[in-house]
Amino acid sequence: GIQVEQSPPDLILQEGANSTLRCNFSDSVNNLQWFHQNPWGQLINLFYIPSGTKQNGRLSATTVATERYSLLYISSSQTTDSGVYFCAGGGGADGLTFGKGTHLIIQP
Amino acid sequence: GAVVSQHPSRVICKSGTSVKIECRSLDFQATTMFWYRQFPKQSLMLMATSNEGSKATYEQGVEKDKFLINHASLTLSTLTVTSAHPEDSSFYICSAPQTGRHEQYFGPGTRLTVT
Repeated sequence: GIQVEQSPPDLILQEGANSTLRCNFSDSVNNLQWFHQNPWGQLINLFYIPSGTKQNGRLSATTVATERYSLLYISSSQTTDSGVYFCAGGGGADGLTFGKGTHLIIQP
Repeated sequence: GAVVSQHPSRVICKSGTSVKIECRSLDFQATTMFWYRQFPKQSLMLMATSNEGSKATYEQGVEKDKFLINHASLTLSTLTVTSAHPEDSSFYICSAPQTGRHEQYFGPGTRLTVT
């Protein structure tokens, strides 16, 4: 199966800072998603982005499928952005393989 | 749209008993659902793929006789942990894509504690 690597594993920033989270995957994927896991464990869908660029408010994501990586950008960070961010990839109709996550802490 | 629910959200059971967890797609039909497990401070691991009207497929290392999956309708899949042991204590999460689409939507998870 595919391997998904996320970096950095931990990130501590001041409120208002920008950040970039990276996801590398070992093989082509037809499904690439970014999630934010809240303190209660719920996975919040951020982006479905097997290729291209999308933006949603202060968040945006870019996937370069030919080079097998995806980036999640968070601008003007707020304390509520804290938590674990996962990327996950799969073959389309398959279950997802998750990276180990980036633990983001935004300090006031 | 694309809401997935799970029940119960939290369950405590004694070692040796069985526990059933339900996963429902509330506003869409799902011929396929997926079950994941997450241990504390770790990532999610795919356990099995649940297929409506047919047998589930299990990932390598997951005991199919211990984790029974039934996908009886287009909106419901159940995971039964049989003869539970303390090492089965974990956070179990289901997901489902809308039929014909790839994006997966996740339930809120079920925290199982086996004493």
